[in-house]
Amino acid sequence: GESVGLHLPTLSVQEGDNSIINCAYSNSASDYFIWYKQESGKGPQFIIDIRSNMDKRQGQRVTVLLNKTVKHLSLQIAATQPGDSAVYFCAEGGNTGTASKLTFGTGTRLQVTL
Amino acid sequence: KAGVTQTPRYLIKTRGQQVTLSCSPISGHRSVSWYQQTPGQGLQFLFEYFSETQRNKGNFPGRFSGRQFSNSRSEMNVSTLELGDSALYLCASSFSILYEQYFGPGTRLTVT
Repeated sequence: GESVGLHLPTLSVQEGDNSIINCAYSNSASDYFIWYKQESGKGPQFIIDIRSNMDKRQGQRVTVLLNKTVKHLSLQIAATQPGDSAVYFCAEGGNTGTASKLTFGTGTRLQVTL
Repeated sequence: KAGVTQTPRYLIKTRGQQVTLSCSPISGHRSVSWYQQTPGQGLQFLFEYFSETQRNKGNFPGRFSGRQFSNSRSEMNVSTLELGDSALYLCASSFSILYEQYFGPGTRLTVT
């Protein structure tokens, strides 16, 4: 499969537990943020996004929290399942209100143990 | 609805050659972006096209170029290939520049 990073931080979580993946971003003017999941050999898969006028957004089993004061983004996955094992990337859009020209973080590998 | 498709999936080229990669966006999507993914540099933005016009460009040399056709399909070209161009090249499409991007499976380019 595709290696997306040889020295990624890894989060190990037991099946059924909640996972929290953190991300720090650099551009205080960014107003769009997005989380992707990438499985080995596949392209990134959209999970959830959030704009800077919100501090929380919920999807199916996932919640994204945005703290603009400290430039921090987190992804919470409820009741983690083996299929959630993947590399998770946060990305920020520019300060133009667009969702394009994404700047990606380095990624976090989530390992779900049985 | 079919996802983003990229062709070819795998490619092996020699230094100095050029290569063209193709991307077909999700039906109805008019914005196409290209990214390069390597273990060392991660995911990096190459360029974005919307309605056949390049709207944004990343920090890559002029050897990297692209275009978009009237049906929103896009191609990217890399000339005078270098070993460091070996990477997974990902295409993403979105309805417009205001909406989330959906990625294709990528083209794995190996330069020898």
